[in-house]
Amino acid sequence: QKEVEQNSGPLSVPEGAIASLNCTYSDRGSQSFFWYRQYSGKSPELIMFIYSNGDKEDGRFTAQLNKASQYVSLLIRDSQPSDSATYLCASSRDTGNQFYFGTGTSLTVIP
Amino acid sequence: DTEVTQTPKHLVMGMTNKKSLKCEQHMGHRAMYWYKQKAKKPPELMFVYSYEKLSINESVPSRFSPECPNSSLLNLHLHALQPEDSALYLCASSRAVADTQYFGPGTRLTVL
Repeated sequence: QKEVEQNSGPLSVPEGAIASLNCTYSDRGSQSFFWYRQYSGKSPELIMFIYSNGDKEDGRFTAQLNKASQYVSLLIRDSQPSDSATYLCASSRDTGNQFYFGTGTSLTVIP
Repeated sequence: DTEVTQTPKHLVMGMTNKKSLKCEQHMGHRAMYWYKQKAKKPPELMFVYSYEKLSINESVPSRFSPECPNSSLLNLHLHALQPEDSALYLCASSRAVADTQYFGPGTRLTVL
């Protein structure tokens, strides 16, 4: 079982819609969670991180964390074609210095 | 400033060549990482340096040799690579291991 699981997609949404990206993790000791965006041929770019249960909003992006369900999600409101990319979910724990990436979800926003 | 720089951007080498990839950060981060990424796959961790000491080596072949000369620099020395080693090589840094990682732009390596 992978430490971080994501649906590889592809996920397609129309422009202006809400894109919902989901991630589950297996290590209950994981403390921090990250969302990275990666355009084809480019390096991962940090979008958000979240430590506490609940929602965290930054512009059009909202990260949600539910530690009881071991579930992390990223909502992108008013999706734009420029949001088309692969989104990587990652988790980390201080004990053992562990950092895990999921396999990524490919998102396409259709104009 | 969250910039990590990597040189070169592109590298083509033969299987008998020796080359080095370089990574630099000036954010005062004490953890630095090398990842390998193949097309349509997530980054695969290769090495982690914490306070200039190698703390994680994910069973990478010895033809890859990391070096951390100081807290700002990280090198990856390459020797006798195979064509299957062609990939995007990413460097990242963080304040401490398991903290938020910031990636450099990567080096696109092609082994002929």
